Amino acid sequence: DAEITQSPRHKITETGRQVTLACHQTWNHNNMFWYRQDLGHGLRLIHYSYGVQDTNKGEVSDGYSVSRSNTEDLPLTLESAASSQTSVYFCASSPGTTDTQYFGPGTRLTVL
Amino acid sequence: QKEVEQNSGPLSVPEGAIASLNCTYSDRVSQSFFWYRQYSGKSPELIMSIYSNGDKEDGRFTAQLNKASQYVSLLIRDSQPSDSATYLCAVNGGSSGGYQKVTFGIGTKLQVIP
Repeated sequence: DAEITQSPRHKITETGRQVTLACHQTWNHNNMFWYRQDLGHGLRLIHYSYGVQDTNKGEVSDGYSVSRSNTEDLPLTLESAASSQTSVYFCASSPGTTDTQYFGPGTRLTVL
Repeated sequence: QKEVEQNSGPLSVPEGAIASLNCTYSDRVSQSFFWYRQYSGKSPELIMSIYSNGDKEDGRFTAQLNKASQYVSLLIRDSQPSDSATYLCAVNGGSSGGYQKVTFGIGTKLQVIP
């Protein structure tokens, strides 16, 4: 069955380290998204991509970057982790810009 | 003003009752509306999508959309303890630099009491 996976599921890191969170989908969806979810804020968009080599900033993109070298993967990199980036991160994909988004299982990141 | 507003709850209803979850949005050009359910520690999963004014029913769930009032709601009939979760309203529409922005509300926590 087609699916969307994230790894690692849990990560503890130290302030200043570079961290990469993986997202892989087998639906062949063109659109992929990264969100963070924090209490009181709901889901906030970090970065998104409409296809290979396309990346765009969302509302909370500072300190994060993404790259899209193929249809299946959209890794999220925290260039220099900060405690404010402690959160639960969700990757999502959708076949079109007005279609439903399908979410991965999430990664819980703790920055000490 | 938040773009998508929901009461965070918790909303408590007895088992078998109708749960009514409400959402308002600020962008009048919004086109697509979604309700996601999120169990504690899990990822959001789609329950309903609605694109035109009126009601849309799927089993025990009914989504209602009123674009004039910028209001979307979710009714859950015959509520079960397994419906206890946080329900996220999401609104898709309104272009900004070519991106059709999806905005999520903070979610309403529903508790169904046995």
